[in-house]
Amino acid sequence: QKEVEQNSGPLSVPEGAIASLNCTYSDRVSQSFFWYRQYSGKSPELIMSIYSNGDKEDGRFTAQLNKASQYVSLLIRDSQPSDSATYLCAVSGNTGKLIFGQGTTLQVKP
Amino acid sequence: EPEVTQTPSHQVTQMGQEVILRCVPISNHLYFYWYRQILGQKVEFLVSFYNNEISEKSEIFDDQFSVERPDGSNFTLKIRSTKLEDSAMYFCASRMLRGATNEKLFFGSGTQLSVL
Repeated sequence: QKEVEQNSGPLSVPEGAIASLNCTYSDRVSQSFFWYRQYSGKSPELIMSIYSNGDKEDGRFTAQLNKASQYVSLLIRDSQPSDSATYLCAVSGNTGKLIFGQGTTLQVKP
Repeated sequence: EPEVTQTPSHQVTQMGQEVILRCVPISNHLYFYWYRQILGQKVEFLVSFYNNEISEKSEIFDDQFSVERPDGSNFTLKIRSTKLEDSAMYFCASRMLRGATNEKLFFGSGTQLSVL
């Protein structure tokens, strides 16, 4: 069974701090890795994708991938209250099917 | 940005009834998906569809479920005889290519199905 594991949280950080979200996956042949943000009752919204080892930065977001350790992370710098949401890690292979983790709830306190 | 459209946004049905959830994928997309999310749980893959046939399905997608692209624009999910445990948010998604690098999967806003 291919799994994606996340700590469900909640992860609470003060406004302006760095939030660090982590994810591990079990299928070594996974090729593509995604972070989605989901607000309650809404659909997942893609915020970052990463395909090769290392870091990828986009604004306040940095995704990190380590395929040897089967580990993906997301850093959110200068966290804002509007970043409060559930962050979903998702992994796919060559079929395009996404396997999601259960999500980490982030609370950014003003 | 183009959108995947889902209707209805909420559907209430009685146990044992058939429901059809409707989706209009983005017009030039070729791959279509249904996912579901039971309240408080993870988003789960149900089925993928390409070239008018199912390309992959999960264990959840049993004989009670079917998908169809009846007219070249709509993509539907039918549940023949709903059960209480089918209550969930159902998301339709589409992409142009199968799993190409840098290709985004577009999600619809979802249909909340409540089975009473």
